Amino acid sequence: ETGVTQSPTHLIKTRGQQVTLRCSSQSGHNTVSWYQQALGQGPQFIFQYYREEENGRGNFPPRFSGLQFPNYSSELNVNALELDDSALYLCASSQESSYNSPLHFGNGTRLTVT
Amino acid sequence: GENVEQHPSTLSVQEGDSAVIKCTYSDSASNYFPWYKQELGKRPQLIIDIRSNVGEKKDQRIAVTLNKTAKHFSLHITETQPEDSAIYFCAASKAGAQKLVFGQGTRLTINP
Repeated sequence: ETGVTQSPTHLIKTRGQQVTLRCSSQSGHNTVSWYQQALGQGPQFIFQYYREEENGRGNFPPRFSGLQFPNYSSELNVNALELDDSALYLCASSQESSYNSPLHFGNGTRLTVT
Repeated sequence: GENVEQHPSTLSVQEGDSAVIKCTYSDSASNYFPWYKQELGKRPQLIIDIRSNVGEKKDQRIAVTLNKTAKHFSLHITETQPEDSAIYFCAASKAGAQKLVFGQGTRLTINP
């Protein structure tokens, strides 16, 4: 069984730039959720993708966008990067989009915005 | 919206002793409560979860209790071992919401 994989592991960007983070879901999982984890904090929900469509969104501005592909992999795009976007970005997959379907996380992408 | 408070933020116990981490939630409609363990530089891993139709669930040295009336739930780790050292997060979710709302985390240190 292949777990959730994310790329890249680390990334350094300059304020104002754009970034794309990638996630491959665990085999057998059709739902992908993205979370932002600031240093010393719990993960915060960005959005979820199910059947290639956004299926719920947290309190993040529109410059955070995403995609899900037919193979259930996903991308997180962030435009006009701000210093506060520096964080660990976690992707999690689940078997279903149900609220109580256990999430399986990837190791995350550490984004630093300077 | 839902708010989850977690205490304590840091906890240090002697190896072999028990550790208890507590969380409270604000939305009475929440009915799914997972706990995640995150070791330094690693992914959060689900260690146990509980649904609102039960009051307690155990898995070897780990147990979770839920008090829906008081809107709080707790993680209990017995016979702690050095490998239990990590950050633990509680979370809550409800039907119709695709997201988990996480607590702020507890850094647990097991002293040999």
